[in-house]
Amino acid sequence: QKEVEQNSGPLSVPEGAIASLNCTYSDRGSQSFFWYRQYSGKSPELIMSIYSNGDKEDGRFTAQLNKASQYVSLLIRDSQPSDSATYLCAVNIEGGYQKVTFGTGTKLQVIP
Amino acid sequence: DAGVIQSPRHEVTEMGQEVTLRCKPISGHDYLFWYRQTMMRGLELLIYFNNNVPIDDSGMPEDRFSAKMPNASFSTLKIQPSEPRDSAVYFCASSFGGAGNEQFFGPGTRLTVL
Repeated sequence: QKEVEQNSGPLSVPEGAIASLNCTYSDRGSQSFFWYRQYSGKSPELIMSIYSNGDKEDGRFTAQLNKASQYVSLLIRDSQPSDSATYLCAVNIEGGYQKVTFGTGTKLQVIP
Repeated sequence: DAGVIQSPRHEVTEMGQEVTLRCKPISGHDYLFWYRQTMMRGLELLIYFNNNVPIDDSGMPEDRFSAKMPNASFSTLKIQPSEPRDSAVYFCASSFGGAGNEQFFGPGTRLTVL
């Protein structure tokens, strides 16, 4: 079983729709959860962090965490073509608070 | 403020040659991470440092790989000898332990070993 799992996609949504990206993780002791966006040929860019159960909103982005179900998601409202990228979920799994493990990413395509 | 700086941005070398990748973390950050990204394996942590001390090198694939951090503003990742399967994008990231564990990535070095 992979430690951090994501559907590789591609996930295609029309412009203006809500994109929902999901991630599951294996370690019940995980404390910190991140979403990174990576454009093709670029480096990962941190867009959201979440540390407690529930929702965290930042502009068009909402991160949702459910530790009981070991599930974290990212919602993108009013999706724009510029949101087309690969979204990486990262979780601290083991070996200390600073060490995070990345999922393989979900490719999002926003269709104009 | 400048972000994480990496050099070179691209490196093409022949099998058997030594390769040295360089990283300057964000000023004030006390953690530094080296990652490798490939299509097959995604983003993998190779090694990370805290206050210039290596904490976890369990991701370093072989003895051909070594990393150093002689001071708070500089780190190197060396591959000697290089092999074609080392071809990947290598990222350096840094974080400030006093503010959680959010990591900030450099632009990466695209390594091609022929």
